[in-house]
Amino acid sequence: GQQLNQSPQSMFIQEGEDVSMNCTSSSIFNTWLWYKQEPGEGPVLLIALYKAGELTSNGRLTAQFGITRKDSFLNISASIPSDVGIYFCAGYSGGGADGLTFGKGTHLIIQP
Amino acid sequence: DTEVTQTPKHLVMGMTNKKSLKCEQHMGHRAMYWYKQKAKKPPELMFVYSYEKLSINESVPSRFSPECPNSSLLNLHLHALQPEDSALYLCASSQFAGRNEKLFFGSGTQLSVL
Repeated sequence: GQQLNQSPQSMFIQEGEDVSMNCTSSSIFNTWLWYKQEPGEGPVLLIALYKAGELTSNGRLTAQFGITRKDSFLNISASIPSDVGIYFCAGYSGGGADGLTFGKGTHLIIQP
Repeated sequence: DTEVTQTPKHLVMGMTNKKSLKCEQHMGHRAMYWYKQKAKKPPELMFVYSYEKLSINESVPSRFSPECPNSSLLNLHLHALQPEDSALYLCASSQFAGRNEKLFFGSGTQLSVL
């Protein structure tokens, strides 16, 4: 099946710092979705991207659909303690798969 | 309202028990999903229902039996599970099944098999 390479695997940052994470694939994706998951909860949809080059913001979060359609980036500005969690990228490839492909996640830890 | 409700929140069962997980959505979505998630791993697709019909079974063992009684409800019947089946079970829904749809997840059922 399709694979998404998400990096970094984990991040230890100070409160107030900006955060960047990304997902790449060897295949073209038609849609990118970014989710956040906190312990004991299900993933919550943060941002959905549908067009190559698209840049979308949701508060302090900004995500971009790469021009090559093989990558996507999520940035978090001025991190706060409640940003802690695991961030997953997910996408639909153009290869005919019916389900979402998930990245392995980026575990964000914020030190006050 | 983008809420998917799952019950119970936690479940402990023995290997000989029979139990059911329940999921409900009132967004008018026509596709519903079951995912299994191990700690700190991404969700893994188990089943997809589209218009109340099973459209995808990702080679899931028969000890997991899904059921979609109507367009708002999705059940997962469990029987003779193994300890390695312990995981967070997530229900999700989307407007339609297929590509480019946003999936909305419930809070999950944390299952422990003893």
